[in-house]
Amino acid sequence: AQSVTQLDSQVPVFEEAPVELRCNYSSSVSVYLFWYVQYPNQGLQLLLKYLSGSTLVKGINGFEAEFNKSQTSFHLRKPSVHISDTAEYFCAVSFNQAGTALIFGKGTTLSVSS
Amino acid sequence: NAGVTQTPKFRVLKTGQSMTLLCAQDMNHEYMYWYRQDPGMGLRLIHYSVGEGTTAKGEVPDGYNVSRLKKQNFLLGLESAAPSQTSVYFCASSWKYEQYFGPGTRLTVT
Repeated sequence: AQSVTQLDSQVPVFEEAPVELRCNYSSSVSVYLFWYVQYPNQGLQLLLKYLSGSTLVKGINGFEAEFNKSQTSFHLRKPSVHISDTAEYFCAVSFNQAGTALIFGKGTTLSVSS
Repeated sequence: NAGVTQTPKFRVLKTGQSMTLLCAQDMNHEYMYWYRQDPGMGLRLIHYSVGEGTTAKGEVPDGYNVSRLKKQNFLLGLESAAPSQTSVYFCASSWKYEQYFGPGTRLTVT
C-alpha cells in the first residue's frame, strides 16, 4: 500500500526567506508525485508533478521539487517566499497508471510573515 | 471552459436528511473522483469512476453512494446524513495523471 508523510504540519517563515516543505512516500511500485496548493477557502491547484525524466521539477510561482528515489522523498522548495505564498500545501502520490486516484499527505500550512 | 464545477457551494443538513452533490466537468475526462477534506487529515478518496456507468469505492465510502450516468457528471449522495459527514467535499477529474479539482462544497450536518 502507498502512503505519504508530510513531515511538518506547520512551517512559519519570514518574507524573502527560503523554504523547504518535506514529503516522504512509501510504495512498493513506481509512483507519480505531485504537489498541490490550496489557498484559503479555495480548491486545489497543481504546483508541479513528477512523472519521469529529470528528478528536478520546476513548477508555478517559483516552486521546484526534487525526486529522490533512494530516500523516497519529494521535497518542495522555494528560494524566496512572498506573503502571497501563505497557503496549505499537499504532497500526493499515485500509481504510474492513468486514472488512478491520488493518495494525499495530511498537508503543511506555510505561513509567511513580514 | 468552466473546468470542474460543484453544486452547491455550501449546505447545512440535519441528521438523517439526504442530499446529492453534483460535480460537472467540461474537459471530456474519463476519470472522476470524490474526496473529502477534514482538518489535519488531508484529502481522502470516497468513490471514483473510470468511465460513464462505472463506479468504485475508495478509502472512506461508508454512508455515501455515487452515480455516473453521463460522462460529464459525477453525483455524490448522502442517504442519511450524520454529523461525522461534516466536511469539505472536492470533486476532481483527470484524463491521464493530472487531476483537476473543483472549488469544493462545504457541508455541515447538525
